[in-house]
Amino acid sequence: GQQLNQSPQSMFIQEGEDVSMNCTSSSIFNTWLWYKQDPGEGPVLLIALYKAGELTSNGRLTAQFGITRKDSFLNISASIPSDVGIYFCAGQGGGQKLVFGQGTRLTINP
Amino acid sequence: SQTIHQWPATLVQPVGSPLSLECTVEGTSNPNLYWYRQAAGRGLQLLFYSIGIGQISSEVPQNLSASRPQDRQFILSSKKLLLSDSGFYLCAWSVKGSSEAFFGQGTRLTVV
Repeated sequence: GQQLNQSPQSMFIQEGEDVSMNCTSSSIFNTWLWYKQDPGEGPVLLIALYKAGELTSNGRLTAQFGITRKDSFLNISASIPSDVGIYFCAGQGGGQKLVFGQGTRLTINP
Repeated sequence: SQTIHQWPATLVQPVGSPLSLECTVEGTSNPNLYWYRQAAGRGLQLLFYSIGIGQISSEVPQNLSASRPQDRQFILSSKKLLLSDSGFYLCAWSVKGSSEAFFGQGTRLTVV
């Protein structure tokens, strides 16, 4: 079945730093989604990507759909304390169900 | 606008007791509905999905079952809980044909 490898698993950064995380797939995806989950809450959709090479922004967040269709990247610029949480990538391809990465836990030191 | 309600938020149940978690969606018709389980704040595992009333697909063998008695209602059940059923359960919905899933607030289940 389809598998996603999300990295890094965790990040410890200073407030104001930029953040980068990525997901790679063992197969081609038609859709990449990025979610953020706050403690004790359900994941919230941040960005949706539908075309290879697509670059989409949502405020300080920017995500890209890799040209090979097997990877995606999420960048957060000038991090702030409310960016803390777990970020998940999710992908779907070939009529399969949405597959989630294992998450990147972001911790920000003030 | 669409909203999804999931309850209860937390639940502590003894081993061997039954379980019923409920999820309802408002503001949309004929959604796809999903139950996920999340262990230790990490990845999401799809348990069940439904494309319509009475239509349930199970993704993994387990001690749980799901039902969809109404278009916008999805229920997760167990006849006898196991310790290993503890976790964070999330309900989600999506529009037919769309990959974008929208999640409820989750239920933290602790089996003791």
